[in-house]
Amino acid sequence: EAGVTQFPSHSVIEKGQTVTLRCDPISGHDNLYWYRRVMGKEIKFLLHFVKESKQDESGMPNNRFLAERTGGTYSTLKVQPAELEDSGVYFCASSQAGGGYTFGSGTRLTVV
Amino acid sequence: QKEVEQNSGPLSVPEGAIASLNCTYSDRVSQSFFWYRQYSGKSPELIMSIYSNGDKEDGRFTAQLNKASQYVSLLIRDSQPSDSATYLCAVNPLGGDSGAGSYQLTFGKGTKLSVIP
Repeated sequence: EAGVTQFPSHSVIEKGQTVTLRCDPISGHDNLYWYRRVMGKEIKFLLHFVKESKQDESGMPNNRFLAERTGGTYSTLKVQPAELEDSGVYFCASSQAGGGYTFGSGTRLTVV
Repeated sequence: QKEVEQNSGPLSVPEGAIASLNCTYSDRVSQSFFWYRQYSGKSPELIMSIYSNGDKEDGRFTAQLNKASQYVSLLIRDSQPSDSATYLCAVNPLGGDSGAGSYQLTFGKGTKLSVIP
């Protein structure tokens, strides 16, 4: 069984640019989550999809962040325009129901 | 503000000893508790989940939960150098596979464990 796949693994962009992160969950997992870890801080929840619907987006920091999950398969997280404080590691995870997730390897975003 | 607190460490134990990792949480309604292991530069990996008070054992790992004290711990017996990693405690207000609502996890910052050969 393939795991949760994220790409790119690394991205360096300039402040003001746009970046799109992609996540492919484990096949058959209806639940897809985005989390972020800023350096020195704990991993923090961004949002949760159930199939193509946003179940909980209470963790999205502001309207510069847009997440989509068209067709209930892969998801994208777009940051536009990127700011310095957006730097961190963005993790995607998926699960069949509640309980423990399977995480992807993350995308390390650096905004300069 | 829901919080999960862990001692950041580093916690150093000799090979073969028992490593004890602790976690407290502030949200009294939390129902599901998880321990993740994260090697440097890698993704978190689920190693234990616990939903009821008491102990849950899986191989060399034992998770302990005390909801009255809002405390969850992870014991690693016969620690090996390969156990050296950061251990993350995570909690969720919903029970197990409740099938409803958000399964948002609140994470602690993690405890760095170093097992010395």
